Amino acid sequence: NAGVMQNPRHLVRRRGQEARLRCSPMKGHSHVYWYRQLPEEGLKFMVYLQKENIIDESGMPKERFSAEFPKEGPSILRIQQVVRGDSAAYFCASSPSGPVLNTEAFFGQGTRLTVV
Amino acid sequence: SQKIEQNSEALNIQEGKTATLTCNYTNYSPAYLQWYRQDPGRGPVFLLLIRENEKEKRKERLKVTFDTTLKQSLFHITASQPADSATYLCALDMVSGGKLIFGQGTELSVKP
Repeated sequence: NAGVMQNPRHLVRRRGQEARLRCSPMKGHSHVYWYRQLPEEGLKFMVYLQKENIIDESGMPKERFSAEFPKEGPSILRIQQVVRGDSAAYFCASSPSGPVLNTEAFFGQGTRLTVV
Repeated sequence: SQKIEQNSEALNIQEGKTATLTCNYTNYSPAYLQWYRQDPGRGPVFLLLIRENEKEKRKERLKVTFDTTLKQSLFHITASQPADSATYLCALDMVSGGKLIFGQGTELSVKP
């Protein structure tokens, strides 16, 4: 029973390029959350998705960032025209029901994005 | 303003002693509070969840308390071991919204 799978584990992009981060939730989980962890800071909520729906994107920067969770396939966090400040670890979590309430969230190992 | 704060300093203790980590918050009313462990380069792993109407929760060598009046949670690891060395994160579960509000974490180092 595989856990939450994120890929790639490490991603290097030049300024101005696009970054695409993928997350496959645990089997049977239909709720996905993305968090960002900057160096020396805690995890910050970005977006909460269910299949084909964005439920809460209050933590997403207004520009350049988008997320989707299609009917088939993994959830994608997309960052366009990356800047150095986007360098961080991006974690995906899933849960069997949502919102995250009275239950644990299962986290992936993260994607470490480095913008050079 | 809303804040969630954990011990800012790293905690160094001797093997066998009890480690106590603190999580304080202001201007939040969480229904639940969760604790996670995070090792370097890895994702957080769930440890314990405590509800607002519970004073204390235990799991093996772990104990969590939750005081909604003080707006504080304490996380204890008894009979600590070097393998307990990690960063520990507290997180507020806000019921509405489907998201966890995390503290910045406390790094624990247990020396043999």
